[in-house]
Amino acid sequence: DIQMTQSPSTLSAYEGDRVTITCRASQSIVDWLAWYQQKPGKAPKVLVYKASTLQTGVPSRFSGSGSGTEFTLTISSLQPDDFATYYCQQYNDYPWTFGQGTKVEV
Amino acid sequence: QVHLQESAPGLVKPSETLPLICTVSGGSISRDYWSWIRQPPGKGLEWIGFISFSGNINYNPSLKSRVTISSDKSNNQFSLRLTSVTAADTAVYYCARSRAWSPFDFWGQGILVTVSS
Repeated sequence: DIQMTQSPSTLSAYEGDRVTITCRASQSIVDWLAWYQQKPGKAPKVLVYKASTLQTGVPSRFSGSGSGTEFTLTISSLQPDDFATYYCQQYNDYPWTFGQGTKVEV
Repeated sequence: QVHLQESAPGLVKPSETLPLICTVSGGSISRDYWSWIRQPPGKGLEWIGFISFSGNINYNPSLKSRVTISSDKSNNQFSLRLTSVTAADTAVYYCARSRAWSPFDFWGQGILVTVSS
């Protein structure tokens, strides 16, 4: 299985901060990586796919980058609605696997 | 807009079989890939497996011996059966859609299934 490791596990930030979350894959996944946002009691919502393509309707303050084994999700200016847990997921190889999550909190 | 809705018993006894059904509207299961994903309380996400539009099935090896995914095209539903459940199978179970080489773009709201005697 491809292991996905996110850092940090928890991130304390304020509104307006620039926030970066890192996801590392245990082997190359090319750019077959997605980022999701999950709020309590809700299903995850896809933000970015193919490492850097923004899903339709997602605000432009979100961006993704990386390839191979190192990826980042950046929120350029944190908004109140962005306090949530973020997961990366690889879909390069089976079984599809997720990172353990990064909780963005105040 | 594709809508997915999970249904399942809320409580299952240890060693029994957990049946889940996902009903799809606004889209057809004769297209795309249809997955089950679970999330134990307070923990991360685990992909269980998918059934494709053509009937191809892929399971997570961690659960493969206990999982069966099938589809009912006449009712636009797909289902999951998880046998010999234990407390470790207590989780919110989600069904979700993806396309080839694409992420999960539509999800059900999730259903909490508790394994307890």
